[in-house]
This record gives sequence, structure tokens and C-alpha cells, in this order.
Amino acid sequence: EVKLVESGGGLVQPGGSLRLSCATSGFTFSDFYMEWVRQPPGKRLEWIAASRNKANDYTTEYSASVKGRFIVSRDTSQSILYLQMNALRAEDTAIYYCARGPSWFAYWGQGTLVTVSA
Amino acid sequence: ENVLTQSPAIMSASPGEKVTMTCRASSSVSSSYLHWYQQKSGASPKLWIYSTSNLASGVPARFSGSGSGTSYSLTISSVEAEDAATYYCQQYSGYPLYTFGGGTKLEIK
Repeated sequence: EVKLVESGGGLVQPGGSLRLSCATSGFTFSDFYMEWVRQPPGKRLEWIAASRNKANDYTTEYSASVKGRFIVSRDTSQSILYLQMNALRAEDTAIYYCARGPSWFAYWGQGTLVTVSA
Repeated sequence: ENVLTQSPAIMSASPGEKVTMTCRASSSVSSSYLHWYQQKSGASPKLWIYSTSNLASGVPARFSGSGSGTSYSLTISSVEAEDAATYYCQQYSGYPLYTFGGGTKLEIK
């Protein structure tokens, strides 16, 4: 059974940093693209970051809204996906999901809430 | 950026009714890369329909998807109470261009 479990969310001040984790199981982590998608309260889903698979050298991509501030990485030994979030802004407040890609997101985690507020 | 506009934003239907919701793209989308998700309140999205018309595992056969180019739709042939949810379309046109529509909230009378 494929499982994705996010953790690491919480309350952080504007300008602060946070690292999210997505623990995966039930599939060969290195074979798949992994994505981060967020959803501000009451708003639409927004894709923000991707980590390609091993065959594509785990290269990364970012949306314009987070590029230069967020970094996606993997611990392949433990099948964990990370999202390092720096210089956080109020508009980054959202539920953050990890999902398995590419193209369509067949599996999602339960999400972790990040609140950026003073 | 390819903007996806869903309509209506909110719709209400009685059990047994046929409903259709639409997703319009600002630029053409390959039918292979247009997908739909169902999200219930407080839950994660679930893949519902992929590549325009393929039902994800476990999705009831009363659901169907169609479309091409800039216009796509999701139809429920006979709505049931369990279908109450928000449905999002999503397109993929290569990084960094995944985008989602604003969603259609389906309420059951």
C-alpha cells in the first residue's frame, strides 16, 4: 500500500524558516517524481515544487511563487521527501501536501498546516 | 501560465439528477494531461479522472470525463449523496506549469 505522511508544519513568524517532511512507503521511491502542492485556506490547489526521479538525476523544479525561497530534496535511504521553506511570508500560509507525480497525482499525503503569522 | 476556469463555482443537485461541470483553459491542453480530483471537506484531494476520461481506481462508473483543446467536462449520470464534494481540474504542460482550476463545489439537495 502506498503511503505518504507529511510532518513539520506549524506556526512561524514572517521571515522565518520551516522544513517539511514527507515519509513514503509502499513503492520504490527512486522511481517516481515527487511533488509538493499547497492549498491556502478556502482557496485552490497550487503546485509549488517537484523532485524528478533517479533516472532524471533527481532534478528539481519550482513555481515562480516559491523559487529562490524553497528547496526540495530527498533522503533516498529513508524514502523521505523534504521541503525547506525560507523567508516565509503570510501568503505562504496553507496546507502543504506531498504527492506522487508526474502529470497526475495519484497519491497524496494527509497534509500539514503551515501558518505564517506574527 | 495556462489558467483553468471552472464553472459553475457552486452547483446543487438532487439525487438521481445528471450534472455536468466544465473546465476551460486559457490555452490548449493535451487531453493526456487534463485530470480531475475530488476533495471532500477536511480531506486530501483524490485523483478522480486522469487523461480526460479515465476513471481512477474505485471511482464509480456514473462518473465520466470528456473534452479536448480548451474545453473539458466532468459528468455524473445520476448524482448520489456521497458525490458531494469539490471537484478540481488540473493540467500539466511541463514544469513549471502545473495549474489547477478554482473548483466546482457540488452540493446535494
